[in-house]
Amino acid sequence: GNSVTQMEGPVTLSEEAFLTINCTYTATGYPSLFWYVQYPGEGLQLLLKATKADDKGSNKGFEATYRKETTSFHLEKGSVQVSDSAVYFCALSQQTGANNLFFGTGTRLTVIP
Amino acid sequence: GAGVSQSPSNKVTEKGKDVELRCDPISGHTALYWYRQSLGQGLEFLIYFQGNSAPDKSGLPSDRFSAERTGGSVSTLTIQRTQQEDSAVYLCASSLIGQGGETQYFGPGTRLLVL
Repeated sequence: GNSVTQMEGPVTLSEEAFLTINCTYTATGYPSLFWYVQYPGEGLQLLLKATKADDKGSNKGFEATYRKETTSFHLEKGSVQVSDSAVYFCALSQQTGANNLFFGTGTRLTVIP
Repeated sequence: GAGVSQSPSNKVTEKGKDVELRCDPISGHTALYWYRQSLGQGLEFLIYFQGNSAPDKSGLPSDRFSAERTGGSVSTLTIQRTQQEDSAVYLCASSLIGQGGETQYFGPGTRLLVL
């Protein structure tokens, strides 16, 4: 079946610290991988995605690389800001069928000045 | 352009009552998804509509849940005989053609509280 496992939170970092949120997946075939973010009081929005192995998704200084050999899609940012405080969800969808998203449990990040 | 909209934003109901939740997808998007976000279960898929095809109902938790999509646009999720465990945020998302790897755009959600 399809499932996503991501690092439990919450994570608290100081501004300008390095961020890694681990995400691994189980899926048949070759899924697409996503990171969605939910800022306080806002809806879910796409942060970045990768649709095939070795692709790197990037946006707003965040990066994640689709690693098929380790079934991982870890989220990284070199220097976090207070405005990055949010809940981050790793997700996958299959290339065929319903294409619905399978989400991880979410990781709450708080960045303190 | 306008994003995905949902109504109501909040709904409080009594156990046993029926509720209807509405979703307006982005204009031109043929794929529509319903998800549920709850403390105990995280984010889980409920149902998927693609064009005129029969919906994929594989995620609906019980036969008290149903959904329809009229005219290929607006969708309504109906929960009959609500239970307290139905309390959650119900999210709607749409995408252009429902292809693998497509970005799904989410609405703000309807927060349902069953007393």
